[in-house]
Amino acid sequence: QVQLQESGPGLVKPSETLSLTCAVSGYSISSGYYWGWIRQPPGKGLEWIGSIYHSGSTYYNPSLKSRVTISVDTSKNQFSLKLSSVTAADTAVYYCARENYGDYGWFDPWGQGTLVTVSS
Amino acid sequence: DIQMTQSPSSLSASVGDRVTITCRASQGISNYLAWYQQKPGKVPKLLIYAASTLQSGVPSRFSGSGSGTDFTLTISSLQPEDVATYYCQKYNSAPLFGGGTKVEIK
Repeated sequence: QVQLQESGPGLVKPSETLSLTCAVSGYSISSGYYWGWIRQPPGKGLEWIGSIYHSGSTYYNPSLKSRVTISVDTSKNQFSLKLSSVTAADTAVYYCARENYGDYGWFDPWGQGTLVTVSS
Repeated sequence: DIQMTQSPSSLSASVGDRVTITCRASQGISNYLAWYQQKPGKVPKLLIYAASTLQSGVPSRFSGSGSGTDFTLTISSLQPEDVATYYCQKYNSAPLFGGGTKVEIK
């Protein structure tokens, strides 16, 4: 059974960089699939941030592309998100998930999510 | 850019009612559409992919249809445990979610 778990600071100061890691268990990232990050501001809808393949190939939401970096560490079976120059608008629950199908796909399973608050 | 529009944004129905949620893409996306259910305070759960394929373990009262630009999620007989917000997501290219439809019990 594939499981994902997000980790990282719950509080980030404005203008700083948000860093999160998603640890994957029950499946080797090196075996395939894209792996993605999705966020949800409090009381709002879902927004895809970006995705990465085990090879390191990435694609990002154009609206966030200038601030986002997603990387993968196959030796630790995890992938990471960095979002720079954060503002209060980046306050959200951040989820990691496996992206199924081909170059693009649906998301399943999901991690439990982690709330990141941007505040001084 | 493709837009994904869900309607209605919210609805209230009685237990046992048939409920239909619509998702419209601004351009054709073939059948590259998924549906998710998110209960309050919980993680989104995949219900349907490829527009009409039910994910394993999902009750058969859920069904999906459509292709191209117009898609529907139907709950054939609404149950109390179906109270949730439902999202569509296209994946013919970069993923994009619809705005969500909140389903409540009347």
